[in-house]
Amino acid sequence: NAGVTQTPKFQVLKTGQSMTLQCAQDMNHEYMSWYRQDPGMGLRLIHYSVGAGITDQGEVPNGYNVSRSTTEDFPLRLLSAAPSQTSVYFCASRLNTGIPYGYTFGSGTRLTVV
Amino acid sequence: GQQLNQSPQSMFIQEGEDVSMNCTSSSIFNTWLWYKQDPGEGPVLLIALYKAGELTSNGRLTAQFGITRKDSFLNISASIPSDVGIYFCAGQGSNYQLIWGAGTKLIIKP
Repeated sequence: NAGVTQTPKFQVLKTGQSMTLQCAQDMNHEYMSWYRQDPGMGLRLIHYSVGAGITDQGEVPNGYNVSRSTTEDFPLRLLSAAPSQTSVYFCASRLNTGIPYGYTFGSGTRLTVV
Repeated sequence: GQQLNQSPQSMFIQEGEDVSMNCTSSSIFNTWLWYKQDPGEGPVLLIALYKAGELTSNGRLTAQFGITRKDSFLNISASIPSDVGIYFCAGQGSNYQLIWGAGTKLIIKP
């Protein structure tokens, strides 16, 4: 089925470790983004991309890197994991029309940093 | 940064009851969206609103874009067990990024 695929679904890291959360979409969406979701808070934008080779920071970018070498993939890298990065991470994509209708979300990656 | 105030935080309701929730902002938005999130899944779009004063329905769900462009409301009529989940509002301003409310958790009383 077409959609946004996130891997892994669950991950436990030790403080200081690095890892990459994967996100892939097969809908030819130009716009892709990463959010984190914490209890009692709305989704907060980490990084986004409006097309291959173009990335920009969102509201909470510190401690995370992204790259966009293809239209389909938008990995999120944690450089040195910290307990404050314990969260559920969602990848979302849409067409680059400028209107928000049509965001498709992945099913999330639940990350625990100990 | 910008924030949306979404209320209530949670609701305990009986099956068959009507439900109301709302979002307010200190900033003007051009678009309001309402999403539902089931456990272990990402949010799914329910209703999109593009014009101040707009009233839009999707089955038993009705949402309104406030006339001031700083608020929005979602109503669910005759709730059923599959309505449980977390409902999020999101607003889009001039920079095309979404600002999210903290969510309203809907729980059906046994």
